[in-house]
Formats: sequence, structure tokens, C-alpha cells
Amino acid sequence: SQTIHQWPATLVQPVGSPLSLECTVEGTSNPNLYWYRQAAGRGLQLLFYSVGIGQISSEVPQNLSASRPQDRQFILSSKKLLLSDSGFYLCAWSVPQRVAYEQYFGPGTRLTVT
Amino acid sequence: GNSVTQMEGPVTLSEEAFLTINCTYTATGYPSLFWYVQYPGEGLQLLLKATKADDKGSNKGFEATYRKETTSFHLEKGSVQVSDSAVYFCALSDRTNAGKSTFGDGTTLTVKP
Repeated sequence: SQTIHQWPATLVQPVGSPLSLECTVEGTSNPNLYWYRQAAGRGLQLLFYSVGIGQISSEVPQNLSASRPQDRQFILSSKKLLLSDSGFYLCAWSVPQRVAYEQYFGPGTRLTVT
Repeated sequence: GNSVTQMEGPVTLSEEAFLTINCTYTATGYPSLFWYVQYPGEGLQLLLKATKADDKGSNKGFEATYRKETTSFHLEKGSVQVSDSAVYFCALSDRTNAGKSTFGDGTTLTVKP
């Protein structure tokens, strides 16, 4: 069966520090991968998605970047965090070429920028 | 672009009450529709889905029907339980664009015993 991992679960970082969040998927090949941010009490904002190694599409211009160095690894990064980067970050995957494209989510990372 | 509008919450019900959470969408193509559920401090879980008009998705007593004519996908459950307390998200996916999904803002449901 498929499993998705995210780490760390929680993170407190000062403004101006770098960020690296990692997501890995097990039990599937060539998944579509997604990074979302969820602000408190709000819906999900799609940040990046990837259909293959090295292929990244950005949805919202911002302080963050993403990379996909391996088929089942997706990394969210920042060189200098802003207060507005605080939130709940969710990684998700879906099976490409399926009719529904339902997404499967990781447990999330709670990021607090101080 | 695509958008999803959900009934604003929070919604508070007594156990065994009937639940309806309204969801309407705007899409340029022919999307698939979903309801996801999020328990406190966790990621989202797929609750149910529908891929074409008049399809009914169902799971754990929850149901939703894909209504293309009214662009709606309302979530219903006949008798809610305390364990159903969570945040519910309506979403659509764009099959022509890597399955990119658009989510509603979520509706918080609290069920009291």
C-alpha cells in the first residue's frame, strides 16, 4: 500500500532563517506531487506541483521554492523565512492519468516563524 | 479559473441530526468532485468522490451527488455522530492539468452528544 511521509511535524524558525521541508511517498511510481499551505481556519492554497523529476510548476509567486530530486521525493525550501510563511504545510500525491485524480495527503508540518 | 464555494461554518448539530453542507463550483472543463475531511492536527483524508454528472459518491454514511446542471456537490448524512466532528472540504480536480485541485475554505462541523 502507499504511504506518504512528511517531516518535521512541527518547526519553529526565526525570521530570515532558511527552511527545508521534505515529503516522500512509498509504494507508487511516478506520482504527481503537490505542496499546499493552509492558513489558520482557511482552505488550502496550492503552492507547487510536479509531474516528474525536476519538473516543478509554481502556482503563487512567493518566498518559497520546490524541488523534486527523486521520483518520490518532494522538497519545499526557502532561503529567508518571512512571518507570513507561518502555516500548516501539506504534501499530497495523486496517480497520474487517472479519471478522478483524488489526492492523498501527508500528516503535515506546522511551521511557526517568529 | 476554477473555484469552489462552500457553505460557511461553523455548523453545530446534535447527535443523530441530519447534515447538509452545501458546495457549488465553477470550472472551465469537466472536473472530478471530492469531499475531504480533516481531523484536528492532521492532513486531509478523501471522504468520497464523483467523476461524472449524476454520479453519487458515498462513504461512512455520507453521500454527495454530482449535479452538473446546478454545478453543485452537496454533502449529506442522515444521522451524524460525535466522531464526525471535523472540518470538511469540497474540492474539484482539473483532469486536463495534472489533476490540480481547487479547494473550498472548509466547513467546521461540531456534533454534540
